[in-house]
Amino acid sequence: QKEVEQDPGPLSVPEGAIVSLNCTYSNSAFQYFMWYRQYSRKGPELLMYTYSSGNKEDGRFTAQVDKSSKYISLFIRDSQPSDSATYLCAMSLAGNNRKLIWGLGTSLAVNP
Amino acid sequence: DTGVSQDPRHKITKRGQNVTFRCDPISEHNRLYWYRQTLGQGPEFLTYFQNEAQLEKSRLLSDRFSAERPKGSFSTLEIQRTEQGDSAMYLCASSLVETDRRNTIYFGEGSWLTVV
Repeated sequence: QKEVEQDPGPLSVPEGAIVSLNCTYSNSAFQYFMWYRQYSRKGPELLMYTYSSGNKEDGRFTAQVDKSSKYISLFIRDSQPSDSATYLCAMSLAGNNRKLIWGLGTSLAVNP
Repeated sequence: DTGVSQDPRHKITKRGQNVTFRCDPISEHNRLYWYRQTLGQGPEFLTYFQNEAQLEKSRLLSDRFSAERPKGSFSTLEIQRTEQGDSAMYLCASSLVETDRRNTIYFGEGSWLTVV
């Protein structure tokens, strides 16, 4: 079993839809949770960063962490064609950011 | 642009040749990381530096791979005697380790390597 599981999709939604992306993990010691967006042939871009459990909102993006269920989510409201990309979850242990453990990434297409 | 800078962005090389990638981290970031990513996969950790010290190397980093960060600023990743399996995107990232342990990592655009 991989440490981090993420459905690779692809996910296709119409413009304006609410998108829900999810990851599950097995290591209960993970404390830092991140979502990165990656466009084709580009490096990952940090979208959201959460420490421990709870919600964090930034514009159209909301990140949720449920440590009891070992489950994290990223919600995108009012999705736009420019949101079409691969979304990767990543996580790391407390005080140890040298090794991010990544999901495979979910490919999202937002259709005009 | 004050982000992480990588050079070259693309490299095609013949099997057996050596290649070197350079990374310039965000100014004043004291940690620098190298990751490798293949299509459809998340990045895989290779190695990281704190200032000029290389603190960890992944088992993925064979003897043909060497990384340096001589002055604690830019870093180079060299691959000797390249093999077709080395074809991937090599990502550099940097972060600032603050006293409160917040340590978000910022990635460069990546250097694509194709070994033919």
